[in-house]
Amino acid sequence: QSALTQPASVSGSLGQSITISCTGTSGDVGFYNVVSWYQQSPGNAPKLLIYEVTKRPSGISNRFSGSRSGNTASLTISGLQAEDGADYYCCAYAGSGSLYVFGTGTKVTVL
Amino acid sequence: QAQLVESGGGVVQPGRSLRLSCAASQFTFSSFSLHWVRQAPGKGLEWVAAITYDGGNKYYADSVKGRFTISRDNSKNTLYLQMNSLRAEDTAVYTCVKEGGFSHPDAFDIWGQGTLVTVS
Repeated sequence: QSALTQPASVSGSLGQSITISCTGTSGDVGFYNVVSWYQQSPGNAPKLLIYEVTKRPSGISNRFSGSRSGNTASLTISGLQAEDGADYYCCAYAGSGSLYVFGTGTKVTVL
Repeated sequence: QAQLVESGGGVVQPGRSLRLSCAASQFTFSSFSLHWVRQAPGKGLEWVAAITYDGGNKYYADSVKGRFTISRDNSKNTLYLQMNSLRAEDTAVYTCVKEGGFSHPDAFDIWGQGTLVTVS
């Protein structure tokens, strides 16, 4: 099972919106309604931002939103803030065998 | 607040074995599926293994299948990962992760801080 493809880096200015893509296949991202997104700040454990493609856990800012089109899922961060600078990973359910597959990760830089 | 604390990491020679443990607290351990996720130095996240709430079903990444065994002891609120025939490419921080259950289906909502395994 290959890792999902994310851009290595994305940058944006304070207050802007950015979108991180996560491309898989018709056997994972495109098939199951199971895509989640995680934020990992340096030295910290990942934090759940989005689950089931579009849902936000309680306590997660509505500046974070998820979507999907075909085999590509996306995470949009609106009103970019300094504390949004971190690594972001998508994750999708891949069915039997290797159950889950993560994305390659995207480093977000806030200019 | 739900917490997961890993232990058992260290430096081990190629071909040898190591067992990781993950102690859980502040949630009903026996009700949730649990996973191991690893992260090689400077690299991304890789899903390693999963076990259902009752230990009845286990799943593995192709990269560790046949070498690693996941297990749990619900009476001790502890998750394990037995790692055999270790290779240099298994070097990583291994993190215990709780699946979200009904609240956050098929997502990982609680993460431990991880334990470093170095195969050298």
